[in-house]
Amino acid sequence: GESVGLHLPTLSVQEGDNSIINCAYSNSASDYFIWYKQESGKGPQFIIDIRSNMDKRQGQRVTVLLNKTVKHLSLQIAATQPGDSAVYFCAEKISGANNLFFGTGTRLTVIP
Amino acid sequence: ETGVTQSPTHLIKTRGQQVTLRCSSQSGHNTVSWYQQALGQGPQFIFQYYREEENGRGNFPPRFSGLQFPNYSSELNVNALELDDSALYLCASSRTGTDGYTFGSGTRLTVV
Repeated sequence: GESVGLHLPTLSVQEGDNSIINCAYSNSASDYFIWYKQESGKGPQFIIDIRSNMDKRQGQRVTVLLNKTVKHLSLQIAATQPGDSAVYFCAEKISGANNLFFGTGTRLTVIP
Repeated sequence: ETGVTQSPTHLIKTRGQQVTLRCSSQSGHNTVSWYQQALGQGPQFIFQYYREEENGRGNFPPRFSGLQFPNYSSELNVNALELDDSALYLCASSRTGTDGYTFGSGTRLTVV
């Protein structure tokens, strides 16, 4: 399968600080990327997505950046809150395919 | 609008047995995908169903099979269970022509 990896398996941040979670992907044919949040005992929850014709997209407290030159994706969370503690996955979809490829995930821990 | 519901939430089976997991798709969604998530890893694509037929498959053996019903709900069947089949099984529904995927909370299968 395709490789979608994360640079850091764990990340700890102080409450109120900004968080940055990174992801590398390997297939240049991928044209759609999603960040998911997964809390213990729950399924992945959609956070934000971005298409390959964009390099930045903003949501509420979250921003996704896409660098196609180096095949890198990042998720920025502003003013991180305890409720943001979870495992975060990036997922990619190859053009024409009907499934997502997930990375291993990064566990974000917010320190009060 | 109802989300994706999966049943049962937890299940314990013995090696060699067969299991059936169920998924009801989100209202308005006509495609169902199944993913296997081993502990500490990202979800891995098993297969997708559209119009009651398999519409793409990941690297899983034939003992993993599925069904989709006219109401778009779906079943995942696994025969001859192995210890390594222990995982969280996730169902995701989507609508053809769109990239949005909604995940259920999953079924935690333990094979002993």
